[in-house]
Amino acid sequence: EVQLVESGGGLVKPGGSLRLSCAASGFTFSSYTMNWVRQAPEKGLEWVSSISSSSSYMYYADSVKGRFTISRDNAKSSLYLQMNSLRAEDTAVYFCARDVMTTVITGYFDPWGQGTLVTVSS
Amino acid sequence: DIQMTQSPSSLSASVGDRVTITCRASQSISSYLNWYQQKPGKAPKLLIYAASSLQSGVPSRFSGSGSGTDFTLTISSLQPEDFATYFCQQSYTTPRITFGQGTRLEIK
Repeated sequence: EVQLVESGGGLVKPGGSLRLSCAASGFTFSSYTMNWVRQAPEKGLEWVSSISSSSSYMYYADSVKGRFTISRDNAKSSLYLQMNSLRAEDTAVYFCARDVMTTVITGYFDPWGQGTLVTVSS
Repeated sequence: DIQMTQSPSSLSASVGDRVTITCRASQSISSYLNWYQQKPGKAPKLLIYAASSLQSGVPSRFSGSGSGTDFTLTISSLQPEDFATYFCQQSYTTPRITFGQGTRLEIK
């Protein structure tokens, strides 16, 4: 079964840091572009960051550029998001999601993990 | 950024109804339009990609159409498990994708 499981969320003070992880199983992780998407409480979906299969390319939303760093460890089938200088507006459920295809970056995602909640509050 | 606008924001319907949700892009995105279903507390699920292609495993009562700036998601006969929130998403500017604000489909 193809599965993504996020972890690492929690409560952090403004200006603090947090590292999210996403453990993948059931597919050849090293072949796919991987992504982070977030959803603020009762809000819509916002793309956060993407990383190519071999980590050659990394992309960030303007709202997180310079503060967040995406990375992956293909040997461990794991995706990461290092979040620094956190703000209240970063409060959200963070989902990891797999691009649908291996040969091209399609920009649409399946499957998604169940999400991990990050709360930034003093 | 390309803005995606869905209408309506919420919709009440009954089991068996035919339902249509609309998504409009702020500029032409060709057929780079995808639809997701999200149930409370769950992850989004891909339903339709490239405007009209049905993702594997998705029931055929779901269909998508459109190109350019105007798109629709249609559910031909609502089932109890279809009550959820639906999001459109453009992948024209991949990887910098954007989503619509969502349409909540509720039971009448």
